[in-house]
Amino acid sequence: QKEVEQNSGPLSVPEGAIASLNCTYSDRGSQSFFWYRQYSGKSPELIMFIYSNGDKEDGRFTAQLNKASQYVSLLIRDSQPSDSATYLCAVNSLSNQFYFGTGTSLTVIP
Amino acid sequence: EPEVTQTPSHQVTQMGQEVILRCVPISNHLYFYWYRQILGQKVEFLVSFYNNEISEKSEIFDDQFSVERPDGSNFTLKIRSTKLEDSAMYFCASSETAYTQYFGPGTRLTVL
Repeated sequence: QKEVEQNSGPLSVPEGAIASLNCTYSDRGSQSFFWYRQYSGKSPELIMFIYSNGDKEDGRFTAQLNKASQYVSLLIRDSQPSDSATYLCAVNSLSNQFYFGTGTSLTVIP
Repeated sequence: EPEVTQTPSHQVTQMGQEVILRCVPISNHLYFYWYRQILGQKVEFLVSFYNNEISEKSEIFDDQFSVERPDGSNFTLKIRSTKLEDSAMYFCASSETAYTQYFGPGTRLTVL
């Protein structure tokens, strides 16, 4: 069973702070890694993806990947109240199936 | 901005009935996907579709399910003989490459 694990939260950070979201995965053959944001009652929205070890930055978001530790993280700098949502980690396995974690609920407090 | 659309937004059906969920992917996208999300649970991959055939399917995607691209724009998910546990939000997604999937707004399926 290929698993993607996330802390369910809730994670609360003050406005302007850095939010750090973590994810681990069990399948060493996983190829690419994704972070989605899902507002309540809405569909997932892709924030960014990463497939090489290291950091990838896009605006206020930085994804970090460590394949040896089977660990992916997402940092959100200068958090805004509009960032309050559930953040989903997803991985694409060697068989090209996609596995999602249960998500981490983030609340940014004004 | 192009977007994935899904119809209907909400489908109510009786147990044992067949339902067809419809999706219109973004026009130049080549990869299509169906996912489901049971209320309060994680998003689950059902199937991916490329070049007019299924490329991958999960254990959930059993003989009860089928997908079709009946024309150049629509992508459908058929669920035969629905069960109570099929009640969920069903999302269609499409992508131009294997990475950037765009999700539709979903169809909420309620099986009574």
